Amino acid sequence: QVQLQESGPGLVKPSGTLSLTCAVSGGSISSSNWWSWIRQPPGKGLEWIGEIYHSGSTNYNPSLKSRVTISVDKSKNQFSLKLSSVTAADTAVYYCAIAVAVLGAFDIWGQGTMVTVSS
Amino acid sequence: EIVMTQSPATLSVSPGERATLSCRASQSVSSNLAWYQQKPGQAPRLLIYGASTRATGIPARFSGSGSGTEFTLTISSLQSEDFAVYYCQQYNNWPPKYTFGQGTKLEIK
Repeated sequence: QVQLQESGPGLVKPSGTLSLTCAVSGGSISSSNWWSWIRQPPGKGLEWIGEIYHSGSTNYNPSLKSRVTISVDKSKNQFSLKLSSVTAADTAVYYCAIAVAVLGAFDIWGQGTMVTVSS
Repeated sequence: EIVMTQSPATLSVSPGERATLSCRASQSVSSNLAWYQQKPGQAPRLLIYGASTRATGIPARFSGSGSGTEFTLTISSLQSEDFAVYYCQQYNNWPPKYTFGQGTKLEIK
């Protein structure tokens, strides 16, 4: 069973870049899955950020596309998120997730990591 | 963008009773609809995909129905562990632009 674990700084300054990594265990990032990032501001709903395939192909939420980069590191069996020019509105719990049974329905999630944007 | 609207925002139900949660899409998503349960401090858990197929390990008291723009999640006999927030999500687009509803909080009456 694949497991996901997010890591990265819990505090980012405004106008800076948020950088997170999702480590994959129990499976290979080169398997036939799209690897996603999803976020949830405190007390609010879920927002899909984007996804990557092991080939490096990506799809991004149009509302965030200009600021988001998702990359994959097959040697480390992990994938990463970079979100630039952050503001307080980017404060959220960030999850990595994959849809194994059906493309688009996320059945495996990391536990999430809280990122606060503040000076 | 496909907008997902859930109702009600909060639902108060007694244990042992039935709960019915609704989700509406701003345009047809066929049967490409998932439901999730989220408890405080936890990641969402997939309950239903394909509008009506239970995910692995999900109890039979959870059922989903609907297609197109109108969907329902029914919990037939509420257990204490079912009180949580429930989200619907569509995955009909390609390239993907997955969107979630704003959530329904199911609370104990």
